[in-house]
Amino acid sequence: NAGVTQTPKFRILKIGQSMTLQCTQDMNHNYMYWYRQDPGMGLKLIYYSVGAGITDKGEVPNGYNVSRSTTEDFPLRLELAAPSQTSVYFCASSRRQGVETQYFGPGTRLLVL
Amino acid sequence: AQTVTQSQPEMSVQEAETVTLSCTYDTSESDYYLFWYKQPPSRQMILVIRQEAYKQQNATENRFSVNFQKAAKSFSLKISDSQLGDAAMYFCAYQAGGTSYGKLTFGQGTILTVHP
Repeated sequence: NAGVTQTPKFRILKIGQSMTLQCTQDMNHNYMYWYRQDPGMGLKLIYYSVGAGITDKGEVPNGYNVSRSTTEDFPLRLELAAPSQTSVYFCASSRRQGVETQYFGPGTRLLVL
Repeated sequence: AQTVTQSQPEMSVQEAETVTLSCTYDTSESDYYLFWYKQPPSRQMILVIRQEAYKQQNATENRFSVNFQKAAKSFSLKISDSQLGDAAMYFCAYQAGGTSYGKLTFGQGTILTVHP
């Protein structure tokens, strides 16, 4: 199994551009999450989903949108990129909540100039 | 809102020695879970150990163990017989139980250096 995959690995955006970060998991997990990690900091939750068609905001949702049309995919959309969105983005999934392990993707490094 | 604090930005240890990383958290919940994640230079997040708050016994995983002090809201990680491969950023994380939907709250991280 591939686990959680993310594309692209790295991207440079100009201010005002838009892009979609892709996340796919092949473990049939219901729960999926998007986090961002700023340099030298811990991860902060952007959005999460508890199943297809169900999403909700996390701690830092401004400037982002998500959708969950299938169990496998959870794309993150950046509209009107800003330098403050320069970060590393991690997607994660878990079978259920609680002590269940969250499996993380390898991350997407985004630079907004 | 829950907060997680790691007061040691950096720690170092000699190979084969023992090191303890500190973590404190603030919550009004009684049902929650605590985790330590390791992030090597590859940036991959790797689960090291987890603890259910309702369990009094401290979790252990091979060379990794925790000291969970629920009343003090403290959750430290002890690494025994440190190895060069243990060098990484370590994050403490909190997850509320109930209807939290598994959302994790992370500390700021501690960079661990292992000297040969």
